[in-house]
Amino acid sequence: QKEVEQNSGPLSVPEGAIASLNCTYSDRGSQSFFWYRQYSGKSPELIMSIYSNGDKEDGRFTAQLNKASQYVSLLIRDSQPSDSATYLCAVKWWGFNKFYFGSGTKLNVKP
Amino acid sequence: SQTIHQWPATLVQPVGSPLSLECTVEGTSNPNLYWYRQAAGRGLQLLFYSVGIGQISSEVPQNLSASRPQDRQFILSSKKLLLSDSGFYLCAWSGEASYGYTFGSGTRLTVV
Repeated sequence: QKEVEQNSGPLSVPEGAIASLNCTYSDRGSQSFFWYRQYSGKSPELIMSIYSNGDKEDGRFTAQLNKASQYVSLLIRDSQPSDSATYLCAVKWWGFNKFYFGSGTKLNVKP
Repeated sequence: SQTIHQWPATLVQPVGSPLSLECTVEGTSNPNLYWYRQAAGRGLQLLFYSVGIGQISSEVPQNLSASRPQDRQFILSSKKLLLSDSGFYLCAWSGEASYGYTFGSGTRLTVV
């Protein structure tokens, strides 16, 4: 059974702080990992993808992947109120045509 | 560039009425296509996906069906809507394995 787990939150951080969002998944052999941001009432939008162990940085966002420990995380530096949204983790396993989503973590950035 | 179109944006339907939601993708060939539903405050539930014309995989037994009559067209249907069919319906496509989903703008369905 393939599962992707996220803490539902809400995670509250002050403006300018680092927000850390975590995601664990059920088994090895996974191929690709994705982070989506979903504003209330809107569709999810892809913000980061990562395929290899280590860190991947894109602007204020850093994705971290540790396949041995089966977790992937997203760091948001210098958090802004506009980052307040639900963040969804998605995993694609080899041989499967579909993505498995976590239930999402709600992030609140307080001015 | 690739774009995905989904309509209508909002829909209010009475219980027992039929449903047809359409999704089309432009700028790519042979995409994998997906229908998701998201209940209020909940995660994404995969309903159907398709890897080619006429090929439909159903994830959850329910009151809905899907069809792919053309390469870049994906349709979600119901003959008789239930109250529990209310939700935010999202169409998505993916290309090669290294790319994530791209979602349409969604249809908010309220069954009354």
